[in-house]
Amino acid sequence: AQTVTQSQPEMSVQEAETVTLSCTYDTSESDYYLFWYKQPPSRQMILVIRQEAYKQQNATENRFSVNFQKAAKSFSLKISDSQLGDAAMYFCALMNRDDKIIFGKGTRLHILP
Amino acid sequence: DTAVSQTPKYLVTQMGNDKSIKCEQNLGHDTMYWYKQDSKKFLKIMFSYNNKELIINETVPNRFSPKSPDKAHLNLHINSLELGDSAVYFCASSQGGTSNEKLFFGSGTQLSVL
Repeated sequence: AQTVTQSQPEMSVQEAETVTLSCTYDTSESDYYLFWYKQPPSRQMILVIRQEAYKQQNATENRFSVNFQKAAKSFSLKISDSQLGDAAMYFCALMNRDDKIIFGKGTRLHILP
Repeated sequence: DTAVSQTPKYLVTQMGNDKSIKCEQNLGHDTMYWYKQDSKKFLKIMFSYNNKELIINETVPNRFSPKSPDKAHLNLHINSLELGDSAVYFCASSQGGTSNEKLFFGSGTQLSVL
């Protein structure tokens, strides 16, 4: 069975500081994708960053970067220089070749001014 | 004992047909949603129902009609299917309808329109 686990239901970080959101997953596939989605109050799901499992290099997208540890099945999201607009629910997700996505339960991130 | 289940998992159909995707949640949640995943993996919200009442209805063609017979079910009916409707559709649920509530997702339905 494929699973995605986000062990932190909520996190807080001071504005301009760095925060890391944890995600672990389990899959028997060798080829898959990992994603972090941001969900603002509008309930839309915004793709923040994606990582192909075959790539060793960690994906980065401006202030967002991941620490992808394939052997440990860990995929954490680091947000640098946190901004008030980063406050949202963040979902970690796993997608196999069949295009089906499995989501974690989410981590609510609070930004403290 | 899947929390949010969608059927079917795969749906292949001809252009012009009418099809439905079913969603059921056994979490006792009050709010259910439908999302469409586009080719860039963005998930766009389509509809949200709270206790069988529509609370979010984004700009979606009126060929798409959600139906909620009870708060545990939110089905998506699509009329006159078009090629551009091909996508993965996700159902989700939450306890309430506020942005503080966590979403629980189904495993998705891959719709292919030929």
